[in-house]
Amino acid sequence: GAVVSQHPSWVICKSGTSVKIECRSLDFQATTMFWYRQFPKQSLMLMATSNEGSKATYEQGVEKDKFLINHASLTLSTLTVTSAHPEDSSFYICSAKSGTGKQTQYFGPGTRLLVL
Amino acid sequence: GENVEQHPSTLSVQEGDSAVIKCTYSDSASNYFPWYKQELGKGPQLIIDIRSNVGEKKDQRIAVTLNKTAKHFSLHITETQPEDSAVYFCAATPSSSGDKLTFGTGTRLAVRP
Repeated sequence: GAVVSQHPSWVICKSGTSVKIECRSLDFQATTMFWYRQFPKQSLMLMATSNEGSKATYEQGVEKDKFLINHASLTLSTLTVTSAHPEDSSFYICSAKSGTGKQTQYFGPGTRLLVL
Repeated sequence: GENVEQHPSTLSVQEGDSAVIKCTYSDSASNYFPWYKQELGKGPQLIIDIRSNVGEKKDQRIAVTLNKTAKHFSLHITETQPEDSAVYFCAATPSSSGDKLTFGTGTRLAVRP
């Protein structure tokens, strides 16, 4: 149980284009999903918290107009990197937790984005 | 906010030996402490967690201890195997944060066969 998937697993795009990453909880309903970014040999940095049916909450320094998050259902959240630039190249990872009072986060396999 | 420090940054042990990774946290309101294992190119995998009302938890070769007074917690891996080689992250979360995790900087564990 507690499986989280991400799609795509890797993507290469040209500078200026937009990229959408999907995060799905496969065997549980995720009331809250989190989006992280991880640079090589560094720790995970939280970008935003996404609750189903409401607007995402962004961490300080994260541009909400650049990283659009939609949590349309209890099993799906999407992250869209708009007008991507080379500095947006990173490993993007989502996690999900199943409900209030439950703190355990289960992580997806990550999406590697390379912007040329 | 919460701040988590993790040591050592790298650890090399002989197969069969034990490995210990230590973390300290700053927010006394933190009440949940998970440990994650991340293999190269993959997402973090939860290996064990502990809540603040418990001092120790064990799952086969893996154990975690928590000292709330000193605000530190440790991961213990016994009888290490080459497949234990990975990066390990500790994390902490106060319930008032909306369950947001603050991660340590990671420990790269290498188990020599």
